[in-house]
Amino acid sequence: QQQVKQSPQSLIVQKGGISIINCAYENTAFDYFPWYQQFPGKGPALLIAIRPDVSEKKEGRFTISFNKSAKQFSLHIMDSQPGDSATYFCAAGGVYGGSQGNLIFGKGTKLSVKP
Amino acid sequence: GAVVSQHPSWVICKSGTSVKIECRSLDFQATTMFWYRQFPKQSLMLMATSNEGSKATYEQGVEKDKFLINHASLTLSTLTVTSAHPEDSSFYICSARRLAHLYNEQFFGPGTRLTVL
Repeated sequence: QQQVKQSPQSLIVQKGGISIINCAYENTAFDYFPWYQQFPGKGPALLIAIRPDVSEKKEGRFTISFNKSAKQFSLHIMDSQPGDSATYFCAAGGVYGGSQGNLIFGKGTKLSVKP
Repeated sequence: GAVVSQHPSWVICKSGTSVKIECRSLDFQATTMFWYRQFPKQSLMLMATSNEGSKATYEQGVEKDKFLINHASLTLSTLTVTSAHPEDSSFYICSARRLAHLYNEQFFGPGTRLTVL
């Protein structure tokens, strides 16, 4: 019940295309779903996060889509750029911390955007 | 805002020695700090959770006597790898959660690359 399954493991997209990364969770108590971006040799950086009371959240070129009934959420990167090439991690946890506070991370998706 | 630093950024040590890694929240107070370990091309593995002034909570399989965590203030947590061995070589990353912040936002440090010879 504590797993977060992320796919694909790697993704190659042409510049200007749409990158889509999917995650599925099991624990229905989770109510906070962030996405992190990590460049080689650096720590992860919070990119965007969503709570289950909305089905979509958009920040610039990044959009999270959330399907509560399916227990799935996805990251869409519009107009993908070579600078977006990085590893992306989805995570799930409890929004207010506490016993559900620890984030469970997916295994990551390595995105390569070709010029 | 929400900047987390780690020191050192990389360290090489001999087998059997101890290494201390510092994690600081620079512009906010952190109720909770987390320590993760990351192997090449793999996900983040939570090692332990530390709250200021309390003993750390270690994840199953993590040796608390080997990985000593101290959270002495709301802006500083340290991880000491005691009697390090080559299998402890890894990328160690801390994260911090803001005090009194509504959401479970964790901000990560830049990581520390530990190489044990």
